[in-house]
Amino acid sequence: EDKVVQSPLSLVVHEGDTVTLNCSYEVTNFRSLLWYKQEKKAPTFLFMLTSSGIEKKSGRLSSILDKKELFSILNITATQTGDSAVYLCAVEVKGAQKLVFGQGTRLTINP
Amino acid sequence: GAVVSQHPSWVICKSGTSVKIECRSLDFQATTMFWYRQFPKQSLMLMATSNEGSKATYEQGVEKDKFLINHASLTLSTLTVTSAHPEDSSFYICSASRGGDEQFFGPGTRLTVL
Repeated sequence: EDKVVQSPLSLVVHEGDTVTLNCSYEVTNFRSLLWYKQEKKAPTFLFMLTSSGIEKKSGRLSSILDKKELFSILNITATQTGDSAVYLCAVEVKGAQKLVFGQGTRLTINP
Repeated sequence: GAVVSQHPSWVICKSGTSVKIECRSLDFQATTMFWYRQFPKQSLMLMATSNEGSKATYEQGVEKDKFLINHASLTLSTLTVTSAHPEDSSFYICSASRGGDEQFFGPGTRLTVL
């Protein structure tokens, strides 16, 4: 059974801290790994990763994939209160055209 | 580009009634649409995948007679929750793909069954 596991499930830090969110996966036929940010409504896309070792960066957010060890991390530096959200990791299964989501990490940034 | 809308954004209904949720791709043609359900503090669970003009493919454990999906055009898919019960109360999210890798998510519909 395809599975995506995120850790930690919940994280509370102070503004300005750096956080690292983890995502590990076991899927039959990996195509890509995606990170989303979910506030009150539907998820908004952050990154798509398909190759190992290539860091994707967008402002204070960055992510990298390790296809050998089957995991990805999402880093957020100099966190702000607006970064508070649930961060979802999903893996796209090749051939099945579907996303398998992890449980999410609820990140809270305190001022 | 790639905007997906859902209607309604929230709905409250009585137990035993049916509720229809619409998912539209506003500025692109969606060859495939996906329906997800998200219970409080849980992740998105894929319910079904639908391709325009053909029957939806349901995930294991999702009752196809209870959750009717119609994808009659390249811009519209509907999910009908039939004979809704309180345990069907959830956040239903659709996404649409135009044939590539990326799925574009709708804003979600919060269903509360009394």
